[in-house]
Amino acid sequence: KQEVTQIPAALSVPEGENLVLNCSFTDSAIYNLQWFRQDPGKGLTSLLLIQSSQREQTSGRLNASLDKSSGRSTLYIAASQPGDSATYLCAYNQAGTALIFGKGTTLSVSS
Amino acid sequence: GAVVSQHPSWVICKSGTSVKIECRSLDFQATTMFWYRQFPKQSLMLMATSNEGSKATYEQGVEKDKFLINHASLTLSTLTVTSAHPEDSSFYICSARDRQGRQPQHFGDGTRLSIL
Repeated sequence: KQEVTQIPAALSVPEGENLVLNCSFTDSAIYNLQWFRQDPGKGLTSLLLIQSSQREQTSGRLNASLDKSSGRSTLYIAASQPGDSATYLCAYNQAGTALIFGKGTTLSVSS
Repeated sequence: GAVVSQHPSWVICKSGTSVKIECRSLDFQATTMFWYRQFPKQSLMLMATSNEGSKATYEQGVEKDKFLINHASLTLSTLTVTSAHPEDSSFYICSARDRQGRQPQHFGDGTRLSIL
């Protein structure tokens, strides 16, 4: 069964902290792995996409890594800000198929 | 960049009503669209895969007669929740993939459906 597990389910940190969100998946034949942000009651914002041939991607304060052999991805957020508060979703797919999502990590950054 | 428009964004209706949700790709041709459902504090779960010009493929446990999907053109897929009941209340979101299957998939903003 294809599954995505995200740990922790929730995280509260003070502003300025660096943090790591974890994602693990059971399928070794992944095509792409994506990290999304979802604000309450809203749709998805794509943050980073890592293709199967890549090991990491960076965008601003965000860095995502992919280790296919261990079935893990991490999202690193540097110098967290209150505006980073949201739910972060990890998802992967095989070529041409729908994305399989984890339940997300709900992040709260206090000022 | 590629944009997917989903409409309506929010709908409230009485039990027994049928509700249609539209998903449009605005600047590319989407041969495949995916429909997901998300219950509160849960993950997005794939309901069905919609292919232009052919029948949709439904995931196990999803009633095809209740959730009617039509993908009549390369830019539009619709999901109709027939005879909706309170347990159908959820967040529905679509994504679209272009002909070349380029990534990433592009998501609509979702539809929040509330059945009274």
